[in-house]
Amino acid sequence: GQNIDQPTEMTATEGAIVQINCTYQTSGFNGLFWYQQHAGEAPTFLSYNVLDGLEEKGRFSSFLSRSKGYSYLLLKELQMKDSASYLCAVLSGGYNKLIFGAGTRLAVHP
Amino acid sequence: EAGVTQSPTHLIKTRGQQATLRCSPISGHTSVYWYQQALGLGLQFLLWYDEGEERNRGNFPPRFSGRQFPNYSSELNVNALELEDSALYLCASREGAAGNTIYFGEGSWLTVV
Repeated sequence: GQNIDQPTEMTATEGAIVQINCTYQTSGFNGLFWYQQHAGEAPTFLSYNVLDGLEEKGRFSSFLSRSKGYSYLLLKELQMKDSASYLCAVLSGGYNKLIFGAGTRLAVHP
Repeated sequence: EAGVTQSPTHLIKTRGQQATLRCSPISGHTSVYWYQQALGLGLQFLLWYDEGEERNRGNFPPRFSGRQFPNYSSELNVNALELEDSALYLCASREGAAGNTIYFGEGSWLTVV
């Protein structure tokens, strides 16, 4: 089967660092995406990893380990506007089906 | 450069009717994905089109169908609407079947009453 797991909810303090984990089991692997989604809005693309290692983009970084079926999204210098759901999605198999996890709801408080 | 555009923004239908939702991908993108997101829930994969052909579909009944036109725009049709079809329908576009960026449109809110 195909499975993508993320924590349901996380809380963090403004200015801090938070790491959101994602583990996956899919039929084949063609890349992993992270998206941010504010309530009632469309998902916004954050990052794409297809090779092992860390990709840094400003305050956001994403890490991938294909052998462990594991990724994380690291958010630094948290701001209140970072309160949102963070979605992990995997491109699986030869037909490139993009499958989403249920998302992690992050609440940033002062 | 325009992003992914979807129409209509909101649509209200009664049970048993049909709904048609439209999506225009980013210029140069040939691949379109459709997702359903019920309120408070995750994104459920509906359909994937690339180069005018349906490449994959999710676990939805046949009354969910669609097509992709020669200009790569796409249409999602939902027949015999049921109350539980009420959701945000999201379209995403990708630069070909191997592109490494997938961008979403703002979505179409479908309410079935």
